[in-house]
Amino acid sequence: AQKVTQAQTEISVVEKEDVTLDCVYETRDTTYYLFWYKQPPSGELVFLIRRNSFDEQNEISGRYSWNFQKSTSSFNFTITASQVVDSAVYFCARPFSGSARQLTFGSGTQLTVLP
Amino acid sequence: DTGVSQDPRHKITKRGQNVTFRCDPISEHNRLYWYRQTLGQGPEFLTYFQNEAQLEKSRLLSDRFSAERPKGSFSTLEIQRTEQGDSAMYLCASSLAVRQILASGDQETQYFGPGTRLLVL
Repeated sequence: AQKVTQAQTEISVVEKEDVTLDCVYETRDTTYYLFWYKQPPSGELVFLIRRNSFDEQNEISGRYSWNFQKSTSSFNFTITASQVVDSAVYFCARPFSGSARQLTFGSGTQLTVLP
Repeated sequence: DTGVSQDPRHKITKRGQNVTFRCDPISEHNRLYWYRQTLGQGPEFLTYFQNEAQLEKSRLLSDRFSAERPKGSFSTLEIQRTEQGDSAMYLCASSLAVRQILASGDQETQYFGPGTRLLVL
């Protein structure tokens, strides 16, 4: 199976620090999409970003930025000036190869931002 | 514009009982998905519908699990003869496919509901 790996199980930072969450994926596809979701303690998965493999430009949205590197199969997520409300589990995901429908998720990174 | 809703949010049951969960997708979304998430893991795909047709099922979906989407709107997921290993969060998601045949690797965004947390005693 083609995996999504989030090697960092837990990260703890102090408020206002920058933090980067790593995501490495396996793929045999030439074109594909990648996603990041946030899961706060309430449990609902909140969509953050969808990127396709054609576009390797970094993307910035407010305090969030994403670094997509096709050569290393990585799609890392950086939060600048972290806030306590950023505390959540963050998941990286990609469509399961051979199926355009089901998403394969990494095991997630628990981010704790301390005041 | 309401999001995906799920009912109930929590369910505690005894082993051997049947349970049924409901999911209401975002209005006009034609695709609906069920995932299961156990503690410390990412969600795992169970099944997906396009309108009322169930098009894919995971090997995780044993014979005790059945899902329906009778009118192409809300969906139900039933677990018969529950086992302790069924304890998990059951997540529903929906998406809007604007083309019938997507290009290879194409994938629309799936929007998730709050989940139903099941505990089997």
